[in-house]
Amino acid sequence: SQQGEEDPQALSIQEGENATMNCSYKTSINNLQWYRQNSGRGLVHLILIRSNEREKHSGRLRVTLDTSKKSSSLLITASRAADTASYFCATGGKRSGGSYIPTFGRGTSLIVHP
Amino acid sequence: EADIYQTPRYLVIGTGKKITLECSQTMGHDKMYWYQQDPGMELHLIHYSYGVNSTEKGDLSSESTVSRIRTEHFPLTLESARPSHTSQYLCASSGLGRLTGGEGYTFGSGTRLTVV
Repeated sequence: SQQGEEDPQALSIQEGENATMNCSYKTSINNLQWYRQNSGRGLVHLILIRSNEREKHSGRLRVTLDTSKKSSSLLITASRAADTASYFCATGGKRSGGSYIPTFGRGTSLIVHP
Repeated sequence: EADIYQTPRYLVIGTGKKITLECSQTMGHDKMYWYQQDPGMELHLIHYSYGVNSTEKGDLSSESTVSRIRTEHFPLTLESARPSHTSQYLCASSGLGRLTGGEGYTFGSGTRLTVV
């Protein structure tokens, strides 16, 4: 399965600290995506990193990808209470018809205490 | 504003009832998806569609059915709801070509279904 697995399952930090979440996957990928989900809501796309990229930034987010280790990390710098959410990685699995449909892990539950 | 909408937001219904969960997007995306997610768990793909009149089953076996008669509309139907169908159902869409292998998904807010 292409399913990514996030680590840790839960993370609790103080506001202002950095939060790092990791994702491991099993087979070759075309790209890896990170999403955020607030409790009881849909997922919001944060960032996509392609297999030929090693690092990508978006605001306070930094994503790295190591295809040799089949792993990715999401770093949130200077965290805020509003960053409290679950974070998922998704890796693309090829389907019939040639399209890639990402599969999701269980996510990392991040709590940022004010 | 281009977006993806799911209704209802919450639904509590009795066993044996037929229900349809609505999903509509105004982004002109050709691909649409339904995921099922239990609290604190991963998302499971249950149906997807590459375009009008195209539907495929996903990874998780589901008793639900879908249709794609219009690009913007991808409803999910349960003919006879059971308590085991209690879950959150998330609809998503994406819009780049098939071979790019890497567009981000836009998700709706979800429908939380409870079957009693």
